Amino acid sequence: EAQVTQNPRYLITVTGKKLTVTCSQNMNHEYMSWYRQDPGLGLRQIYYSMNVEVTDKGDVPEGYKVSRKEKRNFPLILESPSPNQTSLYFCASRLLSQYTQYFGPGTRLTVL
Amino acid sequence: KNEVEQSPQNLTAQEGEFITINCSYSVGISALHWLQQHPGGGIVSLFMLSSGKKKHGRLIATINIQEKHSSLHITASHPRDSAVYICAFQGAQKLVFGQGTRLTINP
Repeated sequence: EAQVTQNPRYLITVTGKKLTVTCSQNMNHEYMSWYRQDPGLGLRQIYYSMNVEVTDKGDVPEGYKVSRKEKRNFPLILESPSPNQTSLYFCASRLLSQYTQYFGPGTRLTVL
Repeated sequence: KNEVEQSPQNLTAQEGEFITINCSYSVGISALHWLQQHPGGGIVSLFMLSSGKKKHGRLIATINIQEKHSSLHITASHPRDSAVYICAFQGAQKLVFGQGTRLTINP
């Protein structure tokens, strides 16, 4: 089944404890992106990647890192999480030749 | 001012009613998306439009490029249509999202 998977789906952590949210897609998509969703602010892009080893900042990259060492995986890294990073995170992917994006199920992160 | 404005923000209707959600944007675009987010949180792409009109079941999406406006219509609405509907335009390397419209259909 074609899909985007994220892990974990739910995470409660404490300030400063490094964490990684994984994202994987099995559709051979070149483009992958991370978004965060906050009440009143909607969805905002954090980082995106056009292909392996090609990443760039979105609108709200502060406090996040990404890597794209393999085409299928695009992990989101929070080196020192803070409470303002409490949010619902979505990974998405698409073919560069098409605009339709496929979203992962979301990761609900709480930073205490 | 947001680049994408949706209205209404919240909409409650009775089962069977015809629903319209509006989306206006302020820049020239190559494509506009309508997304559905269910209470569980998952996001599904409903339509991607660059012109005209598309229909899928009871859902119809239209776009007027000159007026920078799109609408999502739901005919014969049903409680299972209750969700947040989000429009987004295709920017250079990202989607730019509206705030979403929370739709509740009561039986």
